[in-house]
Amino acid sequence: NAGVMQNPRHLVRRRGQEARLRCSPMKGHSHVYWYRQLPEEGLKFMVYLQKENIIDESGMPKERFSAEFPKEGPSILRIQQVVRGDSAAYFCASSPNYLMNTEAFFGQGTRLTVV
Amino acid sequence: SQQGEEDPQALSIQEGENATMNCSYKTSINNLQWYRQNSGRGLVHLILIRSNEREKHSGRLRVTLDTSKKSSSLLITASRAADTASYFCATAGPQGGSEKLVFGKGTKLTVNP
Repeated sequence: NAGVMQNPRHLVRRRGQEARLRCSPMKGHSHVYWYRQLPEEGLKFMVYLQKENIIDESGMPKERFSAEFPKEGPSILRIQQVVRGDSAAYFCASSPNYLMNTEAFFGQGTRLTVV
Repeated sequence: SQQGEEDPQALSIQEGENATMNCSYKTSINNLQWYRQNSGRGLVHLILIRSNEREKHSGRLRVTLDTSKKSSSLLITASRAADTASYFCATAGPQGGSEKLVFGKGTKLTVNP
């Protein structure tokens, strides 16, 4: 059973471009979480999705950021009109059940650099 | 706001010594989880301890939880150079009607050979 797959591992975008980060959860996992990590910092929650539904997006900036988890295909975190402050590592995690009952499994992350 | 706060922020020890990291949190939880992150990599789950448990072991790892003090500790015994990594605590619980893991800033552990 492959782990959580994120791609690309590294992404360079110029200011104003769009960034699309993909996450394929582990097989059988219907809960997906996105986190952002700045250097030397912990992970900051962004959004929690279940199949086709956004459950909690309280950590998402109100503008330029969006996430989806379609019925078929990977979860996508989309950042429009990127700015330098968006440079960070973005991690996706998945779980088979609610986190009250189980741990989360993390991908290797996508490191976004905005130049 | 950040839920967990680990201390120390950084810890440097010699191989063979024990390493203790502490975590404090602010609100009620369902469980507390510890994760490890090697430099530039994703997080790996270490241990999950539920709010009704006080202590849990896994190999060289020992985790304690004191819900009255809202604190947890992670003990790594007989440390090895390969244990060098950042360690994060994360709390899970019904926060605001939704559930997610809320992470602290981590403890950076260096084990010198």
